[in-house]
Amino acid sequence: GAVVSQHPSRVICKSGTSVKIECRSLDFQATTMFWYRQFPKKSLMLMATSNEGSKATYEQGVEKDKFLINHASLTLSTLTVTSAHPEDSSFYICSAPTTSGRNYNEQFFGPGTRLTVL
Amino acid sequence: QKEVEQDPGPLSVPEGAIVSLNCTYSNSAFQYFMWYRQYSRKGPELLMYTYSSGNKEDGRFTAQVDKSSKYISLFIRDSQPSDSATYLCAMSFWGGADGLTFGKGTHLIIQP
Repeated sequence: GAVVSQHPSRVICKSGTSVKIECRSLDFQATTMFWYRQFPKKSLMLMATSNEGSKATYEQGVEKDKFLINHASLTLSTLTVTSAHPEDSSFYICSAPTTSGRNYNEQFFGPGTRLTVL
Repeated sequence: QKEVEQDPGPLSVPEGAIVSLNCTYSNSAFQYFMWYRQYSRKGPELLMYTYSSGNKEDGRFTAQVDKSSKYISLFIRDSQPSDSATYLCAMSFWGGADGLTFGKGTHLIIQP
């Protein structure tokens, strides 16, 4: 299957700092990527859709100025949590759909990034 | 009313048993249905991907979709301790073109 990577896998930061999380599709191109957040013992919640070459689309209730998304190339999307606060601590996961082959249109997820804001 | 309902468990069964996991949903516009497996602190791994109603089998896994009842199931045959994980159902309107709506996940424990 397709491979999606994320970096870093874990980050701890002080309140008020900004944190950047990278999502890469390693063996396929992705014009669209998705960002999710997962709280402990809760389901994954879609935050935003990242579109290569255009602005991201945010789900209702997600602050676009808080969570900046940049989809700079066909294999890379970044999520920047600006002025992070303890309530932003969560597990952030990206996904990307493939567009060819046996797994056409299936979404593959990265390993996730655990953010802890002190 | 939540869009996707899934019993969080835990569901504990002995090794070798047939496991049945299921989800119900309220939005009849969902067309694509998936099952993911997630180990603790890891990203979800795609197990099954189906479109519309019907059955799909892949090895020990069988996915069933009944759109008329808004009910989907995942069956695991000959369950193994390594199958112990959280199983998430997910669905979407346009397959890979839109984000997924997930159930809460069922924590499955296979007892050796």
